[in-house]
Amino acid sequence: DAEITQSPRHKITETGRQVTLACHQTWNHNNMFWYRQDLGHGLRLIHYSYGVQDTNKGEVSDGYSVSRSNTEDLPLTLESAASSQTSVYFCASRTAKNTEAFFGQGTRLTVV
Amino acid sequence: DQQVKQNSPSLSVQEGRISILNCDYTNSMFDYFLWYKKYPAEGPTFLISISSIKDKNEDGRFTVFLNKSAKHLSLHIVPSQPGDSAVYFCAARANNAGNMLTFGGGTRLMVKP
Repeated sequence: DAEITQSPRHKITETGRQVTLACHQTWNHNNMFWYRQDLGHGLRLIHYSYGVQDTNKGEVSDGYSVSRSNTEDLPLTLESAASSQTSVYFCASRTAKNTEAFFGQGTRLTVV
Repeated sequence: DQQVKQNSPSLSVQEGRISILNCDYTNSMFDYFLWYKKYPAEGPTFLISISSIKDKNEDGRFTVFLNKSAKHLSLHIVPSQPGDSAVYFCAARANNAGNMLTFGGGTRLMVKP
């Protein structure tokens, strides 16, 4: 079955370290997204991509970057982790025509 | 400034009763609305949606109502079941924003047996 997977599921890192969260989907979806979930804020868009070599900033992109070298993967990098980036991160994907997106199971990141 | 708001962080309902989750929005360019359901330690899953050309969409126990003049939508679950206990997110798409979704803060529903 096609799916979307995130790794790791849990990560603890130190302030100032570079961290990369992986997202891999096997649906061949063009559109991929990264969100963070924080209490009271719901899901906020960090970065998104409409296809290979395409990346765009979302609502809360500062301190994050993404790259899209193939259809299946959209890794999210925290250049220099900060305590404010402690959150649960969700990757999502969908076809170009649809609005509904499929979400991964999330990565809980703690920056200490 | 939140364009999509879910003003009730939590809701507790007895099994068998109706659950009503509310969502308000401010952007008049929103033309499509969705509800997602999220269990702990899982990703959100799509539940039901409604286009702005409709005022009601029903799928089994779940019905979404849209009041465009009030910029308000609601999700009704009848009858509520313990398995419905989850966090529910309202989301909206603007017709000028490339299918991008804006999410509300979520409402935690607890259905008591």
